[in-house]
Amino acid sequence: EAQVTQNPRYLITVTGKKLTVTCSQNMNHEYMSWYRQDPGLGLRQIYYSMNVEVTDKGDVPEGYKVSRKEKRNFPLILESPSPNQTSLYFCASSLSSEFSYNEQFFGPGTRLTVL
Amino acid sequence: AQRVTQPEKLLSVFKGAPVELKCNYSYSGSPELFWYVQYSRQRLQLLLRHISRESIKGFTADLNKGETSFHLKKPFAQEEDSAMYYCALSIYNQGGKLIFGQGTELSVKP
Repeated sequence: EAQVTQNPRYLITVTGKKLTVTCSQNMNHEYMSWYRQDPGLGLRQIYYSMNVEVTDKGDVPEGYKVSRKEKRNFPLILESPSPNQTSLYFCASSLSSEFSYNEQFFGPGTRLTVL
Repeated sequence: AQRVTQPEKLLSVFKGAPVELKCNYSYSGSPELFWYVQYSRQRLQLLLRHISRESIKGFTADLNKGETSFHLKKPFAQEEDSAMYYCALSIYNQGGKLIFGQGTELSVKP
């Protein structure tokens, strides 16, 4: 089944403990992106990648890192998580960044709580 | 600045009533607009995009450049339409980046 997967789905951690949220897609998509969803703010883009080894900041990149070593994977790294990073995180992918009307496919979300 | 505004956090209607979810945008370029929907316990998924000019599940949305709006409409709401709806604007020169509105929760009562 063509889809975007994220792991873990739920995570409770403590301030300062490094963590990685994985994202993988099996659709051979070039474009991948991370969003965070907070009440009243909708979804905001953290980082995106237009292809392997090409990443760029979104609107709220502070405190996050990403890498794109393979086309299918786009992990989100929190080197030193803080409570203000408690949120619901979504990974998304689309066929190409060439056309702005391409549909983005979303993962199921990862609910992160930082104590 | 690029922005998408959905003025209603919650919209509650009865089954069979017409529905209009409002979306206004601010963008200096040529807009590409989408409606995404998130049903309970499901992932966010595309409902429709303005370039396709199609009706999905009875929903339509017309781009009004004069009013910078992309309202979502359905003439007769069904209970299964209850969900969270997000309007989104794609930014062409930023790799198709999506800017989302705050979302509107639609509740259709029997």
